[in-house]
Amino acid sequence: QVTLKESGPGILQPSQALSLTCTFSGFSLSTYGMRVSWIRQPSGKGLEWLATIDWDDDKYYNPSLKSRLTVSKDTSNNQAFLKITSMDSADTATYYCAWTDITIAAFAYWGQGTLVTVSS
Amino acid sequence: DIQMTQSPASLSASLGETVTIECRASEDIYNGLAWYQQKPGKSPQLLIYNANSLHTGVPSRFSGSGSGTQYSLKINSLQSEDVASYFCQQYYDYPPYTFGAGTKLELK
Repeated sequence: QVTLKESGPGILQPSQALSLTCTFSGFSLSTYGMRVSWIRQPSGKGLEWLATIDWDDDKYYNPSLKSRLTVSKDTSNNQAFLKITSMDSADTATYYCAWTDITIAAFAYWGQGTLVTVSS
Repeated sequence: DIQMTQSPASLSASLGETVTIECRASEDIYNGLAWYQQKPGKSPQLLIYNANSLHTGVPSRFSGSGSGTQYSLKINSLQSEDVASYFCQQYYDYPPYTFGAGTKLELK
């Protein structure tokens, strides 16, 4: 059974960097075909894919945000991470991590999400 | 980037009715399409992948179809628990993965 849970600071000030952690169980991110992605959703709005990290450490970023994003993983502790620099009020959103494998390719399982508010 | 145009933006239907939501891609996505359901205050849940494959545990009243640039999600015999927002997403060509803007389904 795949489960994921995001954790983050809740609130931060403009220009600060955001660090998010996704702690998961039910799979290993060192197993062929596994990947974890990050997606965000401003309140009442649509979904925006941010980044994906693969089992072999390949990384993919949304070109519109690429310069601000860094995705990484710690396979021994079953965690994935996302860092976003220079946060702004427009980055206020619920941030999700999600699991994919290459046989399904879609985001098959999602975490509960963590709300990040950027405010001075 | 592949743009996903979803319609309608909102939809009101009666219990037991059949509902169809459409998604159009800006280019051929070769069935690399998923549908998600998101209930208020909850995370999205995968319903359909590869355009027409039902995800584990999803009721059979949900079905997906389409090819090329045109895809649809059909809900047969609408139930009260189907009230939610629905999103399509393409994963054929990335980065970036892209989503439709969503359809909000309400009961009439």
